[in-house]
Amino acid sequence: DAKTTQPNSMESNEEEPVHLPCNHSTISGTDYIHWYRQLPSQGPEYVIHGLTSNVNNRMASLAIAEDRKSSTLILHRATLRDAAVYYCILRVNRDDKIIFGKGTRLHILP
Amino acid sequence: NAGVTQTPKFRVLKTGQSMTLLCAQDMNHEYMYWYRQDPGMGLRLIHYSVGEGTTAKGEVPDGYNVSRLKKQNFLLGLESAAPSQTSVYFCASSYPGRKPNYGYTFGSGTRLTVV
Repeated sequence: DAKTTQPNSMESNEEEPVHLPCNHSTISGTDYIHWYRQLPSQGPEYVIHGLTSNVNNRMASLAIAEDRKSSTLILHRATLRDAAVYYCILRVNRDDKIIFGKGTRLHILP
Repeated sequence: NAGVTQTPKFRVLKTGQSMTLLCAQDMNHEYMYWYRQDPGMGLRLIHYSVGEGTTAKGEVPDGYNVSRLKKQNFLLGLESAAPSQTSVYFCASSYPGRKPNYGYTFGSGTRLTVV
């Protein structure tokens, strides 16, 4: 399975932008980069995904490196409700499953 | 709301008892999955299904069985519960792997304690 590497934890101040990094040096050309987050006591929820170009949605932005070996999830203005574990995952074309790593635990300081 | 529904939400079992966890989705997804999550850990894949009548093993399949008799339902069974199976169980569904631009939808989890 294609693997990703994320920092174990990060801290950010409330109302400031947060940049969550992810390395995926073994990514293949057709693999999609997906981000999920898991709020305390809840199931994971989809955040955003991309292939080559940067992506924006109402929750976050995804910046993908030109060589696609890394990506960054950007929360433009963190709130206390953004405190969660964020998972960066590669969805491999035609693969039947995704394997989760340990993700990055994001702490938001008031 | 459309999505993935898990029942029950909580359950306490005695060692050796059996039970079935039910997952239902109404999004017409082909693929369904069962994960477990232990305290402070990430999710680990138990079993998954790529369509009605199919099942496959994930990372940690021992001690569990699954069935997918209907497209919308995926059942996870514990034949003889053990304390090591105390965990939070999450069900998820998705479009097929040949559609990697679609995400997974997760249920809210079943918290199982085996005493």
